[in-house]
Amino acid sequence: GAVVSQHPSRVICKSGTSVKIECRSLDFQATTMFWYRQFPKKSLMLMATSNEGSKATYEQGVEKDKFLINHASLTLSTLTVTSAHPEDSSFYICSARALSQWTYNEQFFGPGTRLTVL
Amino acid sequence: AQSVTQLDSHVSVSEGTPVLLRCNYSSSYSPSLFWYVQHPNKGLQLLLKYTSAATLVKGINGFEAEFKKSETSFHLTKPSAHMSDAAEYFCVVSGLGNAGGTSYGKLTFGQGTILTVHP
Repeated sequence: GAVVSQHPSRVICKSGTSVKIECRSLDFQATTMFWYRQFPKKSLMLMATSNEGSKATYEQGVEKDKFLINHASLTLSTLTVTSAHPEDSSFYICSARALSQWTYNEQFFGPGTRLTVL
Repeated sequence: AQSVTQLDSHVSVSEGTPVLLRCNYSSSYSPSLFWYVQHPNKGLQLLLKYTSAATLVKGINGFEAEFKKSETSFHLTKPSAHMSDAAEYFCVVSGLGNAGGTSYGKLTFGQGTILTVHP
């Protein structure tokens, strides 16, 4: 149980285009989903937290107009990188947390999406 | 506030020898602590978690960790390394969901330790 998927696993796009990444909880309802960014040989950096049906909360320094997050249902959150530029190239990882895991904050991670902007 | 320090950026062991990955944490509240493993270009897999029950926690693949409050440590160990253990390991701390504060509901990651296993 507790499987999280991401799609696509890898995407290459041209500078200036927008890219959408999906994160799905396959066998549980995720009241909260998180989006992380990981630079090469670095740790994970939290970008934003989204609760189903409400606006995402962005971490300091993350541009909310550039990284659009939608959490429309209890099993799906999307991250859209708008007007992508080469510096947005990175490994994006989502995680999901069920309401029952709120106390200890156990999150289940997706496999990640490698974004390359040319 | 909460923070995590992984004391070694790289650890190299021979196959069949013990593994020790060190982690110290700081938290204003009773923490939850996790160890995750990440293989190249993959997501994170949970190895084990501490959530205020037994201080010695057993995880998957023979790994275990001991929560020592007096030392604010949560070191990861395995008696005998296997080639498939080669990966990057992250120690993670979380304030409890009801603890409040700026760390509310967030995971804080250590810098990661790359484990190399030699034949």
